[in-house]
Amino acid sequence: AQSVTQLGSHVSVSEGALVLLRCNYSSSVPPYLFWYVQYPNQGLQLLLKYTSAATLVKGINGFEAEFKKSETSFHLTKPSAHMSDAAEYFCAVMLNRDDKIIFGKGTRLHILP
Amino acid sequence: GAVVSQHPSWVICKSGTSVKIECRSLDFQATTMFWYRQFPKQSLMLMATSNEGSKATYEQGVEKDKFLINHASLTLSTLTVTSAHPEDSSFYICSASPGIEQFFGPGTRLTVL
Repeated sequence: AQSVTQLGSHVSVSEGALVLLRCNYSSSVPPYLFWYVQYPNQGLQLLLKYTSAATLVKGINGFEAEFKKSETSFHLTKPSAHMSDAAEYFCAVMLNRDDKIIFGKGTRLHILP
Repeated sequence: GAVVSQHPSWVICKSGTSVKIECRSLDFQATTMFWYRQFPKQSLMLMATSNEGSKATYEQGVEKDKFLINHASLTLSTLTVTSAHPEDSSFYICSASPGIEQFFGPGTRLTVL
């Protein structure tokens, strides 16, 4: 069965510092992987997705993630945090096209001035 | 492109009444739509998957007679919460999928008094 584990329910970084949000997945076959961001009382916005093409995926707002099969990881990074990055971030996995998405529990990112 | 709308964005109702939430894909056709429920500070929990013209597939533990889902066209799915009770108060989010990626609506905040 598929599953997603996000390490750290809360992460705090200083403005301008590196952002690293961790995600590990469990899947019997190479899955599709996603990172979504959610601002308060809003729906989810796709940051980036991995669909078995390039292992380093670049997304919106300066975020990127690297698919590492050997580590079953798909960590999200951003070189320099901005105050507007403060939000909830969800890692998600999907086994097949048109299949349901399984979400991690989320990581709240706090940006310190 | 790829916009999903939900209506209403928030609703307050009395216990025992029914509430209908609409999910529309505005600029694409969605063969599959998903309904999620999100409690405060928690992740999204998939409630059901709906395919146009067929019965929805409910996740384990979700009462299909309480949460009625209709996917009448390739651009519209509705979720009706029947005989709502305070414990049904939550944030309901839909998503629509034209293929690999799911596009999420802005969510509907339901408060049952």
